[in-house]
Amino acid sequence: DTGVSQDPRHKITKRGQNVTFRCDPISEHNRLYWYRQTLGQGPEFLTYFQNEAQLEKSRLLSDRFSAERPKGSFSTLEIQRTEQGDSAMYLCASSLGTGKNSPLHFGNGTRLTVT
Amino acid sequence: GESVGLHLPTLSVQEGDNSIINCAYSNSASDYFIWYKQESGKGPQFIIDIRSNMDKRQGQRVTVLLNKTVKHLSLQIAATQPGDSAVYFCAENTPPVNYGQNFVFGPGTRLSVLP
Repeated sequence: DTGVSQDPRHKITKRGQNVTFRCDPISEHNRLYWYRQTLGQGPEFLTYFQNEAQLEKSRLLSDRFSAERPKGSFSTLEIQRTEQGDSAMYLCASSLGTGKNSPLHFGNGTRLTVT
Repeated sequence: GESVGLHLPTLSVQEGDNSIINCAYSNSASDYFIWYKQESGKGPQFIIDIRSNMDKRQGQRVTVLLNKTVKHLSLQIAATQPGDSAVYFCAENTPPVNYGQNFVFGPGTRLSVLP
């Protein structure tokens, strides 16, 4: 499988705990994105990397959220002190940035439930 | 802020008929648009894209039409099949973008194919 891979697929955690998600993009893709999707809504942009540099962050990304892409390959998204409002599907996408306009290719997401 | 929206939240069509899913966007400076299909429990799957210098683009059984005058995007699916049942999102590239791209997604339209 050469698509975008996300781990875990599901995560249930108690309020106040920290969680970390991993994304492995398509191998030749230099751009990596994190989105959040709640039930019945479209994905909402969180942050974007080009290689290892985090170039854009949404206002949705509070200081409890941090994302890294240390070697320009896989990425992690950490949520500290989780809140019930953090319950959502967290989607990772990648694209090949040869130009300004390239389609995003999504993984199947990590579904987070905060109890 | 400006966002992408959809005219119809749900659409039911008979198998074999053609489907048309509509999308209105409000940012006249958007220059790149993508249609995604999302099945239950999966991430969005790329269907087709179109740049703002085009009015129409065709793929396999799908056609995207872009009307920049009224800021309208549509996805036409020919000979709709049961496997086409899913939620469809349109996404626009929101300028200004310094380095890459930040797609804004609409809330989605659920397509149900009736036997």
